Amino acid sequence: SQQGEEDPQALSIQEGENATMNCSYKTSINNLQWYRQNSGRGLVHLILIRSNEREKHSGRLRVTLDTSKKSSSLLITASRAADTASYFCATMAGANSKLTFGKGITLSVRP
Amino acid sequence: EPEVTQTPSHQVTQMGQEVILRCVPISNHLYFYWYRQILGQKVEFLVSFYNNEISEKSEIFDDQFSVERPDGSNFTLKIRSTKLEDSAMYFCARTPFGAPGGKLFFGSGTQLSVL
Repeated sequence: SQQGEEDPQALSIQEGENATMNCSYKTSINNLQWYRQNSGRGLVHLILIRSNEREKHSGRLRVTLDTSKKSSSLLITASRAADTASYFCATMAGANSKLTFGKGITLSVRP
Repeated sequence: EPEVTQTPSHQVTQMGQEVILRCVPISNHLYFYWYRQILGQKVEFLVSFYNNEISEKSEIFDDQFSVERPDGSNFTLKIRSTKLEDSAMYFCARTPFGAPGGKLFFGSGTQLSVL
């Protein structure tokens, strides 16, 4: 089954605006993570939220998790051109299991 | 924490040839993973490797694939007879020091092109 379906697929905003990206999943999870990928590069971990947590902050990032709706959102505040990248949500069903990624969201921040 | 190093960064091969992709994730880690990403598509799990044994593998990881840790440090993914559809970016990943079940550190990837 597919996990971690993000929306929108692409997002274009002006520098300084906030960017909100959403992710939905289908099965129970241990944690949900967000990763960033610059074009042609590896994935970089941004933030992890556990199934018993509802909200987490890290710098300009804010992630929420609603396990009843099986959904998460990633908010990037005061976006910068350097935030331009693809963003992936990924779920981990068990403590030692694999990460299952969504298709990703392409974020473009216009200077 | 130290980065995950992957070699080569690019690999071009003829269909039917064997390729070996290498990852140097630091010797005292126990959990390693291989993922792949076909251009423009989602990141797909291939296999996880725990304590020198395969822990979990996906449907993609068929008999053409194998993983080894031949010298206790390098972690390799071998594709025995490459197909055109094996063209993708292959990523190695590891857990943080002694802490499975959390975030992963990814290497910069090996771009495999099968002609």
